[in-house]
Amino acid sequence: DSGVTQTPKHLITATGQRVTLRCSPRSGDLSVYWYQQSLDQGLQFLIHYYNGEERAKGNILERFSAQQFPDLHSELNLSSLELGDSALYFCASSRGRKDTQYFGPGTRLTVL
Amino acid sequence: EDKVVQSPLSLVVHEGDTVTLNCSYEVTNFRSLLWYKQEKKAPTFLFMLTSSGIEKKSGRLSSILDKKELFSILNITATQTGDSAVYLCAVEVVIGGGSEKLVFGKGTKLTVNP
Repeated sequence: DSGVTQTPKHLITATGQRVTLRCSPRSGDLSVYWYQQSLDQGLQFLIHYYNGEERAKGNILERFSAQQFPDLHSELNLSSLELGDSALYFCASSRGRKDTQYFGPGTRLTVL
Repeated sequence: EDKVVQSPLSLVVHEGDTVTLNCSYEVTNFRSLLWYKQEKKAPTFLFMLTSSGIEKKSGRLSSILDKKELFSILNITATQTGDSAVYLCAVEVVIGGGSEKLVFGKGTKLTVNP
């Protein structure tokens, strides 16, 4: 158990819908990262937040957005969902920029 | 474009065998290389390597980095069925603005048969 929690574990929804994935980092970790893992693309970096501020964006679609709250938990919002958005979404946390990232258990999103 | 390539993509061995997993990379601004083990869901951290030629060991697992030739290897000796997993190599790349990202390879799927 890495200490990073993610909810929900599974999510099944329809195309065009909007969902919110939640991540609570390890106690004391200020950085939160979001990743998407699909069968064909592997693990892809989406976005990084540090102490409430967005620090970097990776391969994140405009339909996706995220935020980190004052208590350091983070939410990833996915809207206008498409079949291709079906994937495992991981969040990872670290103490700071130079520290190891520890991964949560992931949320499996299925878009029907 | 930052790229991490792992080989082989899959490997089937018998318990007790020794395996070597390979990871090569081409990235713009290297900070570190990490190995993760992914069984059912979340990747779990194994090693972080930042300096060339210094072997890191944890039990039957060891890893080394060559920053000149841009590759790393992960060795597993006396394999056990519990070692069956996907092993992911990731390179931490500095992307500016006080941030970094992990670029992952596609992974090596290791199957250890009894």
